[in-house]
Amino acid sequence: DVKVTQSSRYLVKRTGEKVFLECVQDMDHENMFWYRQDPGLGLRLIYFSYDVKMKEKGDIPEGYSVSREKKERFSLILESASTNQTSMYLCASSTRSGRVRGTQYFGPGTRLLVL
Amino acid sequence: AQKVTQAQTEISVVEKEDVTLDCVYETRDTTYYLFWYKQPPSGELVFLIRRNSFDEQNEISGRYSWNFQKSTSSFNFTITASQVVDSAVYFCALSELHSGGYQKVTFGTGTKLQVIP
Repeated sequence: DVKVTQSSRYLVKRTGEKVFLECVQDMDHENMFWYRQDPGLGLRLIYFSYDVKMKEKGDIPEGYSVSREKKERFSLILESASTNQTSMYLCASSTRSGRVRGTQYFGPGTRLLVL
Repeated sequence: AQKVTQAQTEISVVEKEDVTLDCVYETRDTTYYLFWYKQPPSGELVFLIRRNSFDEQNEISGRYSWNFQKSTSSFNFTITASQVVDSAVYFCALSELHSGGYQKVTFGTGTKLQVIP
């Protein structure tokens, strides 16, 4: 079974703090993704990576950065957290080959509250 | 640009009723994938099904069934004899092959299903 883990289920931070959200997958997937989920807006793609050290902006990258130093790990960074970044953050991974090509597998999510 | 529309924001049914969740998509590609995910109150998105655009066969898995119709660009999901454990938010998604060689996935806004005992 595919396993995607995220470093925290719940996180409370203060405005201006630097926030790190980590995601690890154990299926040797090439692609990794960060989404945020807000009521009524569905899932919106922040950043994704299709290889180590590679990153691409998604639909809402402003205020975020990412890091992928190892294939299994994809970090989302909020350089200076703001209250409008309070949200549910979901990490996903997928492979480009094989029977499950293109299927994204998700982690449990991190609920971030910025005060 | 690809788009996924789930017009039903919330649905409530009584246990044991059948319920259909609608999904309409837009894409210019001839090759794409369609997905359904379930998000229970715990928050994790659980993969349910993937359908290739070349395979229009309907699929049944237990109480779940999916109806894929390219002519109407729809990929509807039916739960038969609903149970309380089916209460969740359900997302439909569309994946196209991006020029960079990866799959770009667009999600609908989700349908919240409440099954009342």
